[in-house]
Amino acid sequence: DAGVIQSPRHEVTEMGQEVTLRCKPISGHDYLFWYRQTMMRGLELLIYFNNNVPIDDSGMPEDRFSAKMPNASFSTLKIQPSEPRDSAVYFCASSLGWGLAEFSTDTQYFGPGTRLTVL
Amino acid sequence: RKEVEQDPGPFNVPEGATVAFNCTYSNSASQSFFWYRQDCRKEPKLLMSVYSSGNEDGRFTAQLNRASQYISLLIRDSKLSDSATYLCVGGNYGGSQGNLIFGKGTKLSVKP
Repeated sequence: DAGVIQSPRHEVTEMGQEVTLRCKPISGHDYLFWYRQTMMRGLELLIYFNNNVPIDDSGMPEDRFSAKMPNASFSTLKIQPSEPRDSAVYFCASSLGWGLAEFSTDTQYFGPGTRLTVL
Repeated sequence: RKEVEQDPGPFNVPEGATVAFNCTYSNSASQSFFWYRQDCRKEPKLLMSVYSSGNEDGRFTAQLNRASQYISLLIRDSKLSDSATYLCVGGNYGGSQGNLIFGKGTKLSVKP
């Protein structure tokens, strides 16, 4: 399996521009997660989906952020308009399940991340 | 409000040394705990889950102390390849309230 795929790997944009980050989860995984990592705040969960349905978006910082999962193999995270404080590494992760920690099926596999710089 | 706290380090140790990391969590309702490893400019990868009874995987031992709300990771006979940032994770799985909180990480540097 190719693992979780994210694109682009790097994105540099100017303040006010729209940014779209893409993720392809591991085939067969029912859960998809979007995280953001910064030096100041560490790794934060933004939103997660189960079977393409958003379950918890309480981590989404504000209305400028939106996420969609139109099908089981694709998800997007959009920032519009982007601001310099959005600069971070954005990770997508997927897992088979989301139940008990002892189940190996619930291990989250992270993609390589998208390094976003907003000037 | 940060619910999982770690010493950021760096921990600089010689090869072969034993090193221990601690992590505290504030949410007493947390049920699931993990250690992840993250190499520089790479994604986090699960190192091991932390069970109530403690668990061991080769040179790595994880312990959970619910009374004091901390988890620990012990690395024995450290190798150069152990150099990385170790993320402590605590929280709850599942449902609409499921959320795993990541610590900011402890950086380990193993020197020859």
